[in-house]
Amino acid sequence: DIVMTQSPTSMSISVGDRVTMNCKASQNVGSNIDWYQQKTGQSPKLLIYKASNRYTGVPDRFTGSGSGTDFTFTISNMQAEDLAVYYCMQSNSYLTFGSGTKLEIK
Amino acid sequence: EVKLVESGGGLVQPGRSLKLSCAASGFSFNDYWMGWVRQAPGKGLEWIGEINQDSSTINYTPSLKDKFTISRDNAQNTLYLQMSKLGSEDTAIYYCARRGTTRVYWYFDFWGPGTMVTVSS
Repeated sequence: DIVMTQSPTSMSISVGDRVTMNCKASQNVGSNIDWYQQKTGQSPKLLIYKASNRYTGVPDRFTGSGSGTDFTFTISNMQAEDLAVYYCMQSNSYLTFGSGTKLEIK
Repeated sequence: EVKLVESGGGLVQPGRSLKLSCAASGFSFNDYWMGWVRQAPGKGLEWIGEINQDSSTINYTPSLKDKFTISRDNAQNTLYLQMSKLGSEDTAIYYCARRGTTRVYWYFDFWGPGTMVTVSS
């Protein structure tokens, strides 16, 4: 099984901050990684697919990068509505989610 | 409008079985792979498995392969998850999700609101 390790587990941030989180795969997954946002009490929502492609309607402050085993997700200008847990997911070999990064207000 | 609605959750005793349904509307159901994902209370997301358009390919996460069975009825636009030998570790919200595609890449682009399954005596 491919294990996805996300870091940090949580972050305390302020509106307007630049937020960066990481996802590391236990083996090479190419660019087959997506990023999902899950707000409290809601279903997950797709933000980024295939490492760096923004899904339809997703604001351009959300970006993804990386390939192989190391991936980064960035929110360039944190907004209050971005408070959520963010998950990476690999689809190179079956599907595996990371454990999530929770964003909290400082 | 794409809509996915899960049903069939509830309280079930340990060792029993339960079948969840996911009613799809607003898109051509038989054109898409579909999947199930679960989330234990306060925990992260866990992929259960997925099924292709004509049910000829069904993939499961290895740890659940012998307990869970995914199926679909394209005539009824419905996805199913049959769960057996349930234990407390299966207590979770169960989501169905559509595997959207760019033809060369697949992702979960629409999710249902989920149905809660509680395994307890």
